[in-house]
Amino acid sequence: QKEVEQDPGPLSVPEGAIVSLNCTYSNSAFQYFMWYRQYSRKGPELLMYTYSSGNKEDGRFTAQVDKSSKYISLFIRDSQPSDSATYLCAVSIYNQGGKLIFGQGTELSVKP
Amino acid sequence: NAGVMQNPRHLVRRRGQEARLRCSPMKGHSHVYWYRQLPEEGLKFMVYLQKENIIDESGMPKERFSAEFPKEGPSILRIQQVVRGDSAAYFCASSPSGMEGEQYFGPGTRLTVT
Repeated sequence: QKEVEQDPGPLSVPEGAIVSLNCTYSNSAFQYFMWYRQYSRKGPELLMYTYSSGNKEDGRFTAQVDKSSKYISLFIRDSQPSDSATYLCAVSIYNQGGKLIFGQGTELSVKP
Repeated sequence: NAGVMQNPRHLVRRRGQEARLRCSPMKGHSHVYWYRQLPEEGLKFMVYLQKENIIDESGMPKERFSAEFPKEGPSILRIQQVVRGDSAAYFCASSPSGMEGEQYFGPGTRLTVT
């Protein structure tokens, strides 16, 4: 079993839709949760970063963590074609050097 | 405020040659990480370094791969005697702290072994 599971998609939505991206993890020791966006042939870009259960909002993006279910989500409101990219969830354990463990990534396409 | 810098962006090596990948962290960051992204696979941790110290190399292949982060200059990931299976994108990330995992990535070096 992988430590972090993420549906690779691809996921295709019309412009303006609400997008829901999800990951599950197996180790309750994971305490930090990140979402990265990666455009084709580019480096991952940090979108959201949280360590507590609940919601964290930044503009059109909302990160949600449910530690009891070991489930993390990223919601994108009013999706735009420029949001088309691969979205990667990542987890880490506090005080263990910050090594990130990534999900496989979900490829998102937002159609105009 | 420059981000993480990596060079070269593209590197072509023949089997058996050496590859040297360089990474300069963001200003004020003293923690450097290397990750590898193989085709059809996710990002995999390789090594975590601080200045003059390797902190965690649990993701590094046992042979041919080495990394350093000297007191002066960039971090270097070195691959000796490259094989075709080493062809991948190699990303460097830096962090202001080695604790929480908040890391910022560079643009990557795409290594092709012919």
